[in-house]
Amino acid sequence: DVKVTQSSRYLVKRTGEKVFLECVQDMDHENMFWYRQDPGLGLRLIYFSYDVKMKEKGDIPEGYSVSREKKERFSLILESASTNQTSMYLCASSLGGESYNSPLHFGNGTRLTVT
Amino acid sequence: GENVEQHPSTLSVQEGDSAVIKCTYSDSASNYFPWYKQELGKRPQLIIDIRSNVGEKKDQRIAVTLNKTAKHFSLHITETQPEDSAVYFCASTTDSWGKFQFGAGTQVVVTP
Repeated sequence: DVKVTQSSRYLVKRTGEKVFLECVQDMDHENMFWYRQDPGLGLRLIYFSYDVKMKEKGDIPEGYSVSREKKERFSLILESASTNQTSMYLCASSLGGESYNSPLHFGNGTRLTVT
Repeated sequence: GENVEQHPSTLSVQEGDSAVIKCTYSDSASNYFPWYKQELGKRPQLIIDIRSNVGEKKDQRIAVTLNKTAKHFSLHITETQPEDSAVYFCASTTDSWGKFQFGAGTQVVVTP
């Protein structure tokens, strides 16, 4: 069974802080994603990566950056946290490669509060 | 880009009744449609999916139907049970990267 692990379940940060959210998957998946989940808005894609050192912007990349130095690890970075970035952040991975349209496997989420 | 609309936003059903959630999509190139269930405090998990070359798929009490002409797909849950209470998300994608667009979610409450 695929395991996607997010390093923190809850985080509280102050406005202006640099925040790192870490995600690790153990199934050699090619694709990794960061979503933000807000009530009434569903899941919105922030960034995704289909290979090591590759990254693509999603629908709401402003205020975020990502890093993928190793295949199994995908980090989301908030350069200067703001209160409107208070949200639930979900990491996900999928098989990718030659597997056409494989489903997402999600981590448990990190609930980030910016005060 | 792709836009996915999901209705209703909340659905209350009596145990044993059926529940139907409908999603419409905008991009006719969309070709893969998964459904995820998210229980309170837990991660979204895939419950069923359908590809564009199939009209219907069933797995025990859940089924998904796809109407490509009308660009909508629906989740059907029969004989609902309290453990079906959760938020359900539909999603669609047009590309092999697996970049999905999600619906806003439906809160399903099954009352005994």
